[in-house]
Amino acid sequence: DTGVSQDPRHKITKRGQNVTFRCDPISEHNRLYWYRQTLGQGPEFLTYFQNEAQLEKSRLLSDRFSAERPKGSFSTLEIQRTEQGDSAMYLCASSNLGTEETQYFGPGTRLLVL
Amino acid sequence: ILNVEQSPQSLHVQEGDSTNFTCSFPSSNFYALHWYRWETAKSPEALFVMTLNGDEKKKGRISATLNTKEGYSYLYIKGSQPEDSATYLCAFRGRGQNFVFGPGTRLSVLP
Repeated sequence: DTGVSQDPRHKITKRGQNVTFRCDPISEHNRLYWYRQTLGQGPEFLTYFQNEAQLEKSRLLSDRFSAERPKGSFSTLEIQRTEQGDSAMYLCASSNLGTEETQYFGPGTRLLVL
Repeated sequence: ILNVEQSPQSLHVQEGDSTNFTCSFPSSNFYALHWYRWETAKSPEALFVMTLNGDEKKKGRISATLNTKEGYSYLYIKGSQPEDSATYLCAFRGRGQNFVFGPGTRLSVLP
């Protein structure tokens, strides 16, 4: 296994368009997280899954954001009607539940909304 | 909203210098503190997971300490090398809560 992968690595879109990002976690990991990171800030939690169940979603997250993990493997993050404020790096991480839960991050998808 | 702070925001050191950064976090409801290294154009890489007050962990020239009672962790780099240049992130986890990341310390090691 080569680690967590994300696709695409870069996305440029026009305001109002919908975009979808994909994350493929490490295969034996049961937890999958999505984060958003903007310049000068650390990653901000968006949502996470344990297997196929979405267990938590940030209260700061707009209804335009939705995430799925249909078979407990890969996950998608969709942003509808994108706004310029959505421009950020979107990071995915996977882990196994445990006391010393270590997250393994993907390289991220950088989104630019024009 | 939990506040996790890191200082300094950025740091420039000469090759061979030793350096350290601070991560401050809430001193109540502690569960774990994670350190990550994030090099440009790469994925954040886990360095340490610290769970017990007084923990000290070491990986090569990098080490970290933890004080959960006062809510801080130090990351030390001994004899900095240019390949240590990266952003160092800490992430706090309260019991029953998800990870809250600090803004990071950007380290540049000049040859």
